[in-house]
Amino acid sequence: AQSVAQPEDQVNVAEGNPLTVKCTYSVSGNPYLFWYVQYPNRGLQFLLKYITGDNLVKGSYGFEAEFNKSQTSFHLKKPSALVSDSALYFCAAGGGGTASKLTFGTGTRLQVTL
Amino acid sequence: GAVVSQHPSWVICKSGTSVKIECRSLDFQATTMFWYRQFPKQSLMLMATSNEGSKATYEQGVEKDKFLINHASLTLSTLTVTSAHPEDSSFYICSARDQGRFTEAFFGQGTRLTVV
Repeated sequence: AQSVAQPEDQVNVAEGNPLTVKCTYSVSGNPYLFWYVQYPNRGLQFLLKYITGDNLVKGSYGFEAEFNKSQTSFHLKKPSALVSDSALYFCAAGGGGTASKLTFGTGTRLQVTL
Repeated sequence: GAVVSQHPSWVICKSGTSVKIECRSLDFQATTMFWYRQFPKQSLMLMATSNEGSKATYEQGVEKDKFLINHASLTLSTLTVTSAHPEDSSFYICSARDQGRFTEAFFGQGTRLTVV
């Protein structure tokens, strides 16, 4: 069975500072990995994905993520946080080289303060 | 990206009544859609996979007769919560993939269901 772990319930960072939201995964076969963001009472918005290729993936709104196969991690990063980045972030994985059935992490709330 | 629209955004209903939630793929055809349930401050729980023209595949523990799913066309899947009870109150989200263009799934706006 595949699983996704987001070890931090909440991450606090000051505006302008770099941010990291952690994610580790356990899937069989080649993993398909995704990051989504959710604002209050809204659906999920796609940020970025890793399917194959470069380990550093760039996505929307200045976010990027680094795929590390040996550590089975896919941490989300941004060089300079904005207050508007405050939201709930979900890491998701599709196992066996498919994105059809996703397993989500528990989510990490990012709070960016002035 | 692809556009998935969900309706209604919120609904309040009385206990014992049924509520239908629609999920539409606006600019693509989706043979498969997914229905999730999200409890407050928790992750998304996959309820079922909706398959166009055939029966939905439900996850373990999800009552098929309680949560009726119909995927009658390539752009529309519906989730009907039958005989709703207060414990069915939750945030329901659908998703779909435009397999011809994108690897990632796109999500509807979600539906906040409150049963009183």
